[in-house]
Amino acid sequence: QSALTQPASVSGSPGQSITISCTGTSSDVGSYNLVSWYQQHPGKAPKLMIYEGSKRPSGVSNRFSGSKSGNTASLTISGLQAEDEADYYCCSYAGSSSNWVFGGGTKLTVL
Amino acid sequence: QVQLVQSGSELKKPGASVKVSCKASGYTFTSYAMNWVRQAPGQGLEWMGWINTNTGNPTYAQGFTGRFVFSLDTSVSTAYLQISSLKAEDTAVYYCARDGLWFGELSAFDIWGQGTMVTVSS
Repeated sequence: QSALTQPASVSGSPGQSITISCTGTSSDVGSYNLVSWYQQHPGKAPKLMIYEGSKRPSGVSNRFSGSKSGNTASLTISGLQAEDEADYYCCSYAGSSSNWVFGGGTKLTVL
Repeated sequence: QVQLVQSGSELKKPGASVKVSCKASGYTFTSYAMNWVRQAPGQGLEWMGWINTNTGNPTYAQGFTGRFVFSLDTSVSTAYLQISSLKAEDTAVYYCARDGLWFGELSAFDIWGQGTMVTVSS
């Protein structure tokens, strides 16, 4: 199972909005509404930000939102803040043989 | 509170074995699957596989068969990852993470351990 495709880096200024894409195939992202997004600060464990495509866990800011179209999922962060600077990973269920697959990660820089 | 606490960093020589523990607290251990995720230095997250905490049945991702073993001790709500015949390329942070996909719970890795750094060097 190949990793999902994410841009290596994105950047934005405080207050702006950015979107990170996550492209898979009809065997993973396109087949299941089970895409999740994780934020990881340096030296820290990943943190769940979005699950089942567009749901936010309790405590996650509503500035974070998720969506999907076909084989591509997206994470949008609005009203960028300095503390949003981190690595972001998408993950999708890929069926009972492959189970879960991660994207390669995207480094978000807040200018 | 709900948490996963992993064992501490390990320094091992090539060819040795290591066993990493992941102790769960604050929830019913057998109500969620336990996954293992590897992150090599400067690299991304890689799903290694999962273990069914009800049956003890492990599932390994491609590339993690043979030298990698997942196990449980449900009496102490702890999952284990054992790696044998260690190689330099096994140097990484290893995370445990729960998910509820097959248990009717939240279908994602909602709780993560703090990570265990395993360094393989002669």
